[in-house]
Amino acid sequence: SQQGEEDPQALSIQEGENATMNCSYKTSINNLQWYRQNSGRGLVHLILIRSNEREKHSGRLRVTLDTSKKSSSLLITASRAADTASYFCATGLLGAQKLVFGQGTRLTINP
Amino acid sequence: DTAVSQTPKYLVTQMGNDKSIKCEQNLGHDTMYWYKQDSKKFLKIMFSYNNKELIINETVPNRFSPKSPDKAHLNLHINSLELGDSAVYFCASSPQGSVYEQYFGPGTRLTVT
Repeated sequence: SQQGEEDPQALSIQEGENATMNCSYKTSINNLQWYRQNSGRGLVHLILIRSNEREKHSGRLRVTLDTSKKSSSLLITASRAADTASYFCATGLLGAQKLVFGQGTRLTINP
Repeated sequence: DTAVSQTPKYLVTQMGNDKSIKCEQNLGHDTMYWYKQDSKKFLKIMFSYNNKELIINETVPNRFSPKSPDKAHLNLHINSLELGDSAVYFCASSPQGSVYEQYFGPGTRLTVT
């Protein structure tokens, strides 16, 4: 089964609202990363949070990590139409040289 | 100045054919990857090379053969293409391993008819 699972699978909000996406995982991690994918494009790295960190900010993005619950959340504040994309969490597994991606949350920002 | 580039962007071919996808990165990274993204957007790692050495080989049919002539290039050759191989294939690179962020190419959409 997959390591990372995102929730919700799809989210549609109005421009200006905040968007929250969640990611749960199963095994111990070194870090957790969030990526964005616009339609028909490659993935773009957004933010990396290490297993010993609890919260990280980058511009309008805020990521939290709770290793006791094996979960993370991505908050996008003051959403814009350009934020419309799929968002993926990816876990860097302990002792493994790879990332395992979730299935993504498809975010639609309505103008 | 494209960081990770792939060619071709689109590939349409018939079952049974052999095809190759090329990837190049100009970031000076040590590690390169091939991923397959299916129609449900699920992204799964296929292979990873570190300094031209294969370090990850997931459960992938042996019809798929990666080749890394140098650490800036990672190509993917697929023999005897099947309908189920239709997907988007992404190349990515990172400084080393999973502790760093990865940089993705634009993808190659492979359609097998």
